[in-house]
Order: sequence, then structure tokens, then C-alpha cells
Amino acid sequence: AQSVTQLGSHVSVSEGALVLLRCNYSSSVPPYLFWYVQYPNQGLQLLLKYTSAATLVKGINGFEAEFKKSETSFHLTKPSAHMSDAAEYFCAVRLYGNKLVFGAGTILRVKS
Amino acid sequence: NAGVMQNPRHLVRRRGQEARLRCSPMKGHSHVYWYRQLPEEGLKFMVYLQKENIIDESGMPKERFSAEFPKEGPSILRIQQVVRGDSAAYFCASSDTSGGNSYEQYFGPGTRLTVT
Repeated sequence: AQSVTQLGSHVSVSEGALVLLRCNYSSSVPPYLFWYVQYPNQGLQLLLKYTSAATLVKGINGFEAEFKKSETSFHLTKPSAHMSDAAEYFCAVRLYGNKLVFGAGTILRVKS
Repeated sequence: NAGVMQNPRHLVRRRGQEARLRCSPMKGHSHVYWYRQLPEEGLKFMVYLQKENIIDESGMPKERFSAEFPKEGPSILRIQQVVRGDSAAYFCASSDTSGGNSYEQYFGPGTRLTVT
């Protein structure tokens, strides 16, 4: 069965510091992987997606993620955190039949 | 191009009442998905529909929950005889089938159901 594990339910960084949010997946077939961001009381916004093309994927708002098959990872990074990045981030894998399986989420806090 | 629309945004129901949640997909999208987000948890898949067809309802509770996506009008998620445990945020997403983008799901703002 395919699943997603996000390490760390809460991550705190200083403004301007590197953001690293971890995601590991298990999949018996090459996966489609996604990162979504959710601001309080809002829906999910797609940050970026991996669909078996380039392993380094660039998304919106300066975020990027690297697909590493050997490590079954798809970690999300941003070189310099901004206060507006404070939100909850979800990693997801697409299953056969189009449904998404989400990780439990990581709440990112940015300190000034 | 308007995004995925959901209404109401907030819904309060007493135990035993019915809740109806509506979702209008993005223009041109014919696939709709419903997810539920319980407090402190990630989103869980409930059901996947195309126009007039339920494709996958493996995540739907066996009782009290139903979903439809008629030929005309929005998709409806219906919860009968609500209980406190149904309190959650319900998100709808939609996708199209054009080219290779059918995997990308666009989410609505959600309906937050509170059962008192």
C-alpha cells in the first residue's frame, strides 16, 4: 500500500533561514508526488508536483523539492524563510484511480 | 477562470439533522473528489465522482454518508443524522482529463461542519 510520512509535526525556523520539511513515501510503482500548503481556515494550494520528469522540481513562492528514489524521499526546501511562509504543509502521493493520500502535515513557524 | 467553489463555508447542525455540502468544480473539470480533515489530522479521501457516476467510494463511511455529481449542478455530499464525530472540514477538489494534467487536483476553500 502506498503511504506518506512527514517527519516532524512542527518545524520552527528564523526568518531568512533555510526551510526543510521532510516527506518519505512508500510506493510499489513510480509515484506522482505533491506538496500543498494550507493557510489557517483556507483550502489547499498546490506548491509543486513531481510526475517522473526532472527530479528537482521548482514550485511557487521559492519552494523546491527533490525526488530521491533511493531514499524514497521528496523533501521540500526554501533557501530563505519569510514570515508569510508560516502555514501547514502537506505531502501527498497519488494512487491509481486518482485519489491522493496525504501525510499528517507539518506546521511551519517562522520567527522574526 | 473561477476556482473550485464550495458552500456553505461554515455549517452548524444539531445532532440528528442532515448536512448538505455543495461543490462546483472548476470550469471544464469533470472529476470531483471529496476529502475530510478531522482536527489535528491530514486529509482523508472519501469519494471520487465523475458526472452521474461514482468512481471510487472506498473512503466513505458505510452509513449516513452519500455523494452525487449530477449531469447539471454541483456535486453534493450528504450526511444524514449527523453526530459530533462528523465535525470536520470537508474539502472538494476537481481535475480535468485533458492531456497529462488529469492528476492535478485543485481544492476548494472547504466547508467547516460543526455538530452541536
